[in-house]
Amino acid sequence: DAMVIQNPRYQVTQFGKPVTLSCSQTLNHNVMYWYQQKSSQAPKLLFHYYDKDFNNEADTPDNFQSRRPNTSFCFLDIRSPGLGDAAMYLCATSTMTSGRYNEQFFGPGTRLTVL
Amino acid sequence: DQQVKQNSPSLSVQEGRISILNCDYTNSMFDYFLWYKKYPAEGPTFLISISSIKDKNEDGRFTVFLNKSAKHLSLHIVPSQPGDSAVYFCAASGYTDKLIFGTGTRLQVFP
Repeated sequence: DAMVIQNPRYQVTQFGKPVTLSCSQTLNHNVMYWYQQKSSQAPKLLFHYYDKDFNNEADTPDNFQSRRPNTSFCFLDIRSPGLGDAAMYLCATSTMTSGRYNEQFFGPGTRLTVL
Repeated sequence: DQQVKQNSPSLSVQEGRISILNCDYTNSMFDYFLWYKKYPAEGPTFLISISSIKDKNEDGRFTVFLNKSAKHLSLHIVPSQPGDSAVYFCAASGYTDKLIFGTGTRLQVFP
């Protein structure tokens, strides 16, 4: 089955210790997204890639970086995690046709705990 | 500024009855609306969508209604089943814009 996979599902890190979350997809979608979701809040878009073009949201902290080495994989790097970065991180993919972002398909998420 | 609002954080409905989840938006440029369903420890899954050229879209037990003049949409689930218990997110986008999500409504369907 075509899907969006996130690893690990649960990640524990220490305050200030860099961490990398990974996402892979078998859907061959040209757009990949990273969202941060905290309890009882809407998913907050951090950035997205349209093919290799990186698009950062204006309010995404510099502490968050991303890499997309190929169509299938995308990584979220948190350079110096703070306690406020503890959240669920969701990866999603979609196609983009004629300038429109189509419905997104989400992975199961990675729950990040910062000690 | 929350452009997509789900004002009811939770809803409890008896099995077999209708569930109505509501969503309001403020941006008149939005022309595509979606509902996602999320179980605990899973990512959101796409449920149903509607374009602004329509006022109703139906898929089995799920129907979405759009009232453009009121900037309001609703998701109807008939009949509700215990397996429908989840968090439902409303999302909206305009042409070339990314999705904007609401904060979600937790639906509980009890026997």
